[in-house]
Parts: sequence; structure tokens; C-alpha cells
Amino acid sequence: AAGVIQSPRHLIKEKRETATLKCYPIPRHDTVYWYQQGPGQDPQFLISFYEKMQSDKGSIPDRFSAQQFSDYHSELNMSSLELGDSALYFCASSKSEGSSGDYNEQFFGPGTRLTVL
Amino acid sequence: AQSVSQHNHHVILSEAASLELGCNYSYGGTVNLFWYVQYPGQHLQLLLKYFSGDPLVKGIKGFEAEFIKSKFSFNLRKPSVQWSDTAEYFCAVTAPNTGRRALTFGSGTRLQVQP
Repeated sequence: AAGVIQSPRHLIKEKRETATLKCYPIPRHDTVYWYQQGPGQDPQFLISFYEKMQSDKGSIPDRFSAQQFSDYHSELNMSSLELGDSALYFCASSKSEGSSGDYNEQFFGPGTRLTVL
Repeated sequence: AQSVSQHNHHVILSEAASLELGCNYSYGGTVNLFWYVQYPGQHLQLLLKYFSGDPLVKGIKGFEAEFIKSKFSFNLRKPSVQWSDTAEYFCAVTAPNTGRRALTFGSGTRLQVQP
């Protein structure tokens, strides 16, 4: 079965550089979530999109932005990178069934490991 | 806002030992509860989930968890662990009535099973 695809898998950047992470959800999934997992820490929610619109916002720094495109893939853009941005960035996708409170399982991608030097 | 506490940060067991990992959440409203596993170098995978109904839920690979509302707990159990269960285990919660579907994770428990 198709899974969530993230690219690149590994990325090394210098401080103050920019980075773009990509996420390709499972086919027919319309919701994408981004999470950041620092070394030895739990995943922290950054931002989510439903049907190409931002649906929720977590602890995403102002230096980061994201969007979801017409093919439902999403990109996380990170500018003015700092050492503290070094982390594993997970994308997850789910198929929403509208505005109900029912949960739809989130499927996680393998993550992009970002190292800022 | 909801939060999740996992009190066991690192657990070491021998094969065939029984496992119980603690998870407590803080939120007074309706919650959905999850356990995810992260094998070394791999992505998060869902072990089991609780939405409503029977508070004892069974998941994959012989894992189960019990939701005790009065204790705000959702502990993970397995009667007999295997070496292949070595991984990090995350408890997570969503509060569906708040409209937030993103997961709030606990800090994780690293399980090491010795052969």
C-alpha cells in the first residue's frame, strides 16, 4: 500500500539558510499535518492543512511557512535557519470526513532529518 | 490545552516479561487516545486507539490498553514482550470537541528488551 512520502530524507544546512521540505500524502488523503521532533523529544505539532487551506496552527515559528497544493502535497518552507531547528520533521496524512469530531487515523511519513550547522 | 505525561522514560525488560507503560492525560472533556510505536530509524506507527465504547482496546502485535476515565489514564500493556518490541512508545491524545485534530504526544518511553 502507498505510504506518505517525504523528501528529502536528510538535509544539512548552514545557519541563516533556507530549507524546503516536501510531503506527499497517501492518495485520496486530503489532510496533512507537520510535526517537529527534536533530539530526544516528543513530536510537536506545527501546522495542518485540509483541502489546501490551513486548518490548524501549532507551535510553528514565524520563520516557517507551509502550504498545500492542488495535488494535496505539502511543502514546509523554513527560513533563517537556527541551530535549534535541527530536528526530525514528520508529515502525516489522513482522510477527513468533514467537520465532525471523529478522528481519522494519521499515517506518518519516514521524516526528514534536518541538521543545521 | 491538553497534555500527556509518560512517567517511564526508559524501561528495560527481559524477553517474556510483562509490560505496562503508563500514560496520563490532562483534559476534562472528550478525548481520543492513541499509542504509537517508533522502531529504530523508522516512522511512527499506530499501535491502537480509543474513541469510545469498551475501555479495553486491543491493538496490533499483542498490545492492549485500558482507558480509565476517573484516573485520566491510558496505560499500554503486553503480557509477554519480545526482543522485536524494542522501540520508543508514544502516548498521544486529541480533543475532538475542540476542533483540533492534531496529536499531542507524551515524551515517549524507550523500551529495551533483552534477549
